[in-house]
Amino acid sequence: LAKTTQPISMDSYEGQEVNITCSHNNIATNDYITWYQQFPSQGPRFIIQGYKTKVTNEVASLFIPADRKSSTLSLPRVSLSDTAVYYCLVAQQDSSYKLIFGSGTRLLVRP
Amino acid sequence: GAGVSQSPRYKVAKRGQDVALRCDPISGHVSLFWYQQALGQGPEFLTYFQNEAQLDKSGLPSDRFFAERPEGSVSTLKIQRTQQEDSAVYLCASSPGDFLLIYEQYFGPGTRLTVT
Repeated sequence: LAKTTQPISMDSYEGQEVNITCSHNNIATNDYITWYQQFPSQGPRFIIQGYKTKVTNEVASLFIPADRKSSTLSLPRVSLSDTAVYYCLVAQQDSSYKLIFGSGTRLLVRP
Repeated sequence: GAGVSQSPRYKVAKRGQDVALRCDPISGHVSLFWYQQALGQGPEFLTYFQNEAQLDKSGLPSDRFFAERPEGSVSTLKIQRTQQEDSAVYLCASSPGDFLLIYEQYFGPGTRLTVT
């Protein structure tokens, strides 16, 4: 089981780029890296998923180095509404439906 | 429907009472999941259904917890003889695919259960 480690909290200001790094030293060959976002009183929401190199969508980018032992979620030009908890997950190889959430990173975006 | 819905949104139960939490997944979604989220923690997996079949219930904390999805759509999580440690937010999620490689799950808003 690939355990993930990410910062407990981060602060930023509106308009800045935010990079949240997650380490997953024991990631298996077939594991994918997935990030979720959770606002207070809501369920988590899928942001992005990747296997290697770089993935970009309309919300974020995900950078994964060649050794895949870490990944970085990049949020361009954050706004106040990006204040949330961000979870980095690595799917279990044999039961990938069982999402394993850690404690996440609490991002606070200030005006 | 537009998304996953759960009811009730809030439930207060006296210790020892039985509770039933309902989840309406997105129409047509094959897979359904239940998670438990304690305050300040990430969600923890409880159980997984593919259609009406419960394929994994390894996360259910005790035999007081029971989940069903009899017709492959709506699901109910039942907790018997509630204890204070059962206080948490119970999240339901659904996904259109079958059990392999399901990374994108659609979560409902959760039911906040408080046991007094």
